[in-house]
Formats: sequence, structure tokens, C-alpha cells
Amino acid sequence: EDQVTQSPEALRLQEGESSSLNCSYTVSGLRGLFWYRQDPGKGPEFLFTLYSAGEEKEKERLKATLTKKESFLHITAPKPEDSATYLCAVQAGGYGQNFVFGPGTRLSVLP
Amino acid sequence: DAGVIQSPRHEVTEMGQEVTLRCKPISGHDYLFWYRQTMMRGLELLIYFNNNVPIDDSGMPEDRFSAKMPNASFSTLKIQPSEPRDSAVYFCASRRGKGWGTEAFFGQGTRLTVV
Repeated sequence: EDQVTQSPEALRLQEGESSSLNCSYTVSGLRGLFWYRQDPGKGPEFLFTLYSAGEEKEKERLKATLTKKESFLHITAPKPEDSATYLCAVQAGGYGQNFVFGPGTRLSVLP
Repeated sequence: DAGVIQSPRHEVTEMGQEVTLRCKPISGHDYLFWYRQTMMRGLELLIYFNNNVPIDDSGMPEDRFSAKMPNASFSTLKIQPSEPRDSAVYFCASRRGKGWGTEAFFGQGTRLTVV
């Protein structure tokens, strides 16, 4: 059965304390893996798309990587403004053009 | 571009009333998605359209829910009659559908409370 899971459910970091968020997936025919950021009361905001194992994308303090079974979102020297919920989503051949979202990781960065 | 625009941002209604949520996708995007987000179930797809035609409505929970896209710049999601368990944040998203793997852009959502 196709699944998208994320861990941890919640993460508290001190400002400057680097860490990684995990997105694990079991789908057939992955077409793309997407990372989004969601602030309270707002819609998800697109961050990255990864297409194939070994691919990496970077934006400011964030770096996303992809293997055949999981993706990591690495956060280097985070700041309080990085606090948000981070969602991953997959697009797979069996879903048509839909995106299936994981439950998200709630990140809090304390000053 | 102003992005995906949803209205209203908040809606409070009484059980049994009809509720209509509205969405204007990004110009030029040919896919439109309606999602519902709750604490328990996260983001769930309700229905999506391609070129104004409904493609997959398997996520629509019951016949009380209906969605239309009369043209490329407007879509509605209607709940009639509404029930307290429909309380959630409803998101509209759009994307340009050139092949696989293009990202979707979300609106700010409509927070629906049914009392």
C-alpha cells in the first residue's frame, strides 16, 4: 500500500542547532517529491521538487535530498523564522496528477 | 501574479446551511485541486480538475459535497447541508500541467466552522 510518512512529528531546536527532517515513502512509480513549508493560518508554500535518487536542492539554510525510499530536509544553523510545519508530498503514477501529502513535521526554533 | 485566491477566508455557519467556497487559480494553470486539512487527517484531496473538467472526485466525502469549474478562472466547492464534522480548512491549489513533477501553488485557505 502506498504511504508517505514523516518524522519526527515535532522538533524543537535552539537557534543555530542543525538537524534533519525525514520523509519516507512507499509508492509505485514516483514522479516527483515535493517539500512545502506551512505557517500557521496560511497555505503550504512550495520549497523544492526532487525527481530522482541522488538529487539535491538547496535554498538558504535548507537542503533537500532524495533516495529511493526517503527524502531528508536538512536545516543548517536554523533561525526562529524557520519555525513552521514542513510537509512532503509525492506525485506517483498511480495517483494521476494528484499529490499525496505526509502528516508534516512541526519545527520550532527557539532564540 | 496574485497567486491562488480563495474566498471567504473564514466562514462560520449553522448546521444544515449551505456553504459555498470560492477559488481563483493562477492564470495559465490548467489543473485545479481542492484539499481539506484537519489535525486528525492532514491534507486530503477532495477533487481535482483538468481544463475545467473533473478528473478524480473519489475524495469527496459524501453527496453533500459538490464542486464546479465553469471556466478556467473560477471554481466553487459547495456543501449542502453542512454538518459540524465538515469543520476544517479548505485549500484550493493550481498547477501548470506540463508533464509530471510540476509543483502546485496553494491559496491561503478558507477556515470553515459549522456550529
